[in-house]
Amino acid sequence: GAGVSQTPSNKVTEKGKYVELRCDPISGHTALYWYRQSLGQGPEFLIYFQGTGAADDSGLPNDRFFAVRPEGSVSTLKIQRTERGDSAVYLCASSLDGTSYEQYFGPGTRLTVT
Amino acid sequence: AQKVTQAQTEISVVEKEDVTLDCVYETRDTTYYLFWYKQPPSGELVFLIRRNSFDEQNEISGRYSWNFQKSTSSFNFTITASQVVDSAVYFCALSTYKYIFGTGTRLKVLA
Repeated sequence: GAGVSQTPSNKVTEKGKYVELRCDPISGHTALYWYRQSLGQGPEFLIYFQGTGAADDSGLPNDRFFAVRPEGSVSTLKIQRTERGDSAVYLCASSLDGTSYEQYFGPGTRLTVT
Repeated sequence: AQKVTQAQTEISVVEKEDVTLDCVYETRDTTYYLFWYKQPPSGELVFLIRRNSFDEQNEISGRYSWNFQKSTSSFNFTITASQVVDSAVYFCALSTYKYIFGTGTRLKVLA
């Protein structure tokens, strides 16, 4: 079956602009996660959705970052007033149900802020 | 606090050698889950194994084996007879109410 998909695969934007990153999880997976991975580092947790609600958004670095999952499937990560330090690979993962299950990752979106 | 430590930043071995990747975790929770993921050069993280805190039985899957020891809070991963295709970054992760990843170990298998 289809895995987790993310669009776009690459995004280059200018400092100060707004960007949206999309994640389409595996069908039937109720849990969805966003991570940020900088070069040479492990995935850094941003936010976790259980269904439509954000069960844990403690990893969002500041109020420029926001994510939604309005219908409990597709999710969008939104970054306002982008800064060069936001440049990273943004990973999305889904799992069957909650944090006890293995996560399946998408290919990521490489965001470059110039 | 939860923490995952992968002290080995990078390991190089020659093909056919055995190699063990270390993972030490910290948590005060009695129920938790441990995972290993592989990130090949293509970049996509691939799930390898999941273990719950009540199951200390070691597991073998082909050339891969995992040793879980609660007494030392370790969940080590061994690749037997390594191959060039095993070259990747390997991440250990701990999950209680949230997922925490280690910083990864880069494994280079030389032909």
